[in-house]
Amino acid sequence: ETGVTQTPRHLVMGMTNKKSLKCEQHLGHNAMYWYKQSAKKPLELMFVYNFKEQTENNSVPSRFSPECPNSSHLFLHLHTLQPEDSALYLCASSQAGQEVAYEQYFGPGTRLTVT
Amino acid sequence: AQKITQTQPGMFVQEKEAVTLDCTYDTSDPSYGLFWYKQPSSGEMIFLIYQGSYDQQNATEGRYSLNFQKARKSANLVISASQLGDSAMYFCAMRGSSSNTGKLIFGQGTTLQVKP
Repeated sequence: ETGVTQTPRHLVMGMTNKKSLKCEQHLGHNAMYWYKQSAKKPLELMFVYNFKEQTENNSVPSRFSPECPNSSHLFLHLHTLQPEDSALYLCASSQAGQEVAYEQYFGPGTRLTVT
Repeated sequence: AQKITQTQPGMFVQEKEAVTLDCTYDTSDPSYGLFWYKQPSSGEMIFLIYQGSYDQQNATEGRYSLNFQKARKSANLVISASQLGDSAMYFCAMRGSSSNTGKLIFGQGTTLQVKP
C-alpha cells in the first residue's frame, strides 16, 4: 500500500450505532488530520495530530472521538451520530513542523450516511 | 483571521482550451503557502501545485500554472489545454506561518466541467 488509505470507503449507520473510521499513511509523515466535507460546503478541519499528540480540536462535538496510536494510524470513533453528520470524511497527512510548503496528502475518504 | 475565497461555484471550458480558476486570500501572516487541489467525483483530494509567498516566480507543474499576484492577494490556477479528465472540483487552500499545527484553510471550491 502506498500513500494514505482509509477504511471503510462507505458506511451506513444508525444513530445509536458505534463505528470507527480508520486512516493509515505510508509516507513517513508525523502529522495527521481529519476533515469533514458536507455537500455544498468547504472542507472543515476537525482534528490535527502532530507526533501522536492532538494539537487542534476545531470545536468538534464529543460524539466524534479521535485516536492516534502512532504516527501512521489515525482513527475516528463515532457514536450516537445525527443525520447532519452524514458527509465525506477525509484523512490527510503531512510532514510536521512550521514549514508552510508542506503539502497534505489525502486519502480517498469515507462516505458516511447516518440514518 | 485567515480566509480563502473562490467566487466561481461552477465553470465550463471547451476541451483543449485554457481556463482560469480564481482564488483570493486574506492573511496577516508574514509567510504563507498556497495550494491547489483537485477533487474528482471519487472524492480523493489530489495535490496539484504549490506557491510560496516569497517565491519570485509563478509556480508551474505541467499543464497547471499559478498566476500569483501578491499585492492583490490572488492565486489563480490556470489549466492549459483542458482535457475531459480535468472535470472535477478544484480547491484553493492556504497554510500560514502562524499555524504550528500545519492546518490548511480551504476555499469553497469551483466545479469545472470540460465539454468535448
